[in-house]
Amino acid sequence: NAGVTQTPKFRVLKTGQSMTLLCAQDMNHEYMYWYRQDPGMGLRLIHYSVGEGTTAKGEVPDGYNVSRLKKQNFLLGLESAAPSQTSVYFCASSYRGGYVYNEQFFGPGTRLTVL
Amino acid sequence: SQELEQSPQSLIVQEGKNLTINCTSSKTLYGLYWYKQKYGEGLIFLMMLQKGGEEKSHEKITAKLDEKKQQSSLHITASQPSHAGIYLCGADNPVIQGAQKLVFGQGTRLTINP
Repeated sequence: NAGVTQTPKFRVLKTGQSMTLLCAQDMNHEYMYWYRQDPGMGLRLIHYSVGEGTTAKGEVPDGYNVSRLKKQNFLLGLESAAPSQTSVYFCASSYRGGYVYNEQFFGPGTRLTVL
Repeated sequence: SQELEQSPQSLIVQEGKNLTINCTSSKTLYGLYWYKQKYGEGLIFLMMLQKGGEEKSHEKITAKLDEKKQQSSLHITASQPSHAGIYLCGADNPVIQGAQKLVFGQGTRLTINP
């Protein structure tokens, strides 16, 4: 099993450009999450999904859109990139929902720089 | 909203020494997760604590949740180079729509000197 994979690993964008980050999991997990990690701020939840065809906003959703057309894939889109979106983006998936023993499995991350 | 404060933010220890990382919450902890991140990689799950006073161990790492469920500590005994990385605590918030919306601390960067 590959677990959670993310594409691409690195990307440099110019302000105003758009791009899509792809997350794929092969564990048949229902729940998937997108986080961003900034220095000194830990991880913050951008969007999440509780199943195929569903998405919901997390803590910092502005400037991002997501789609979950297939259970195994969760896409994060930036329509018009801004320097404030320079960050490391992590995707995660889990079998269960919250408030019970629930391990999230993380991908290796995508390092995005917006100039 | 819940906030998690980790201390210290950075820690450098000699190989073989013991160390402790703390995670303090602004609200009662219902589920507290410890993850480790190697530099440039994703997060790896270490342990999860739910009950006040609970203590769990895995190899040389022990995590505790205090009785009042507002603070957790991670203790490493006889540290090794393989312990180096960033340690993050995450708190499980009350659930909306069944998803787990973890709130994370800012992380503690651990360096082990030979």
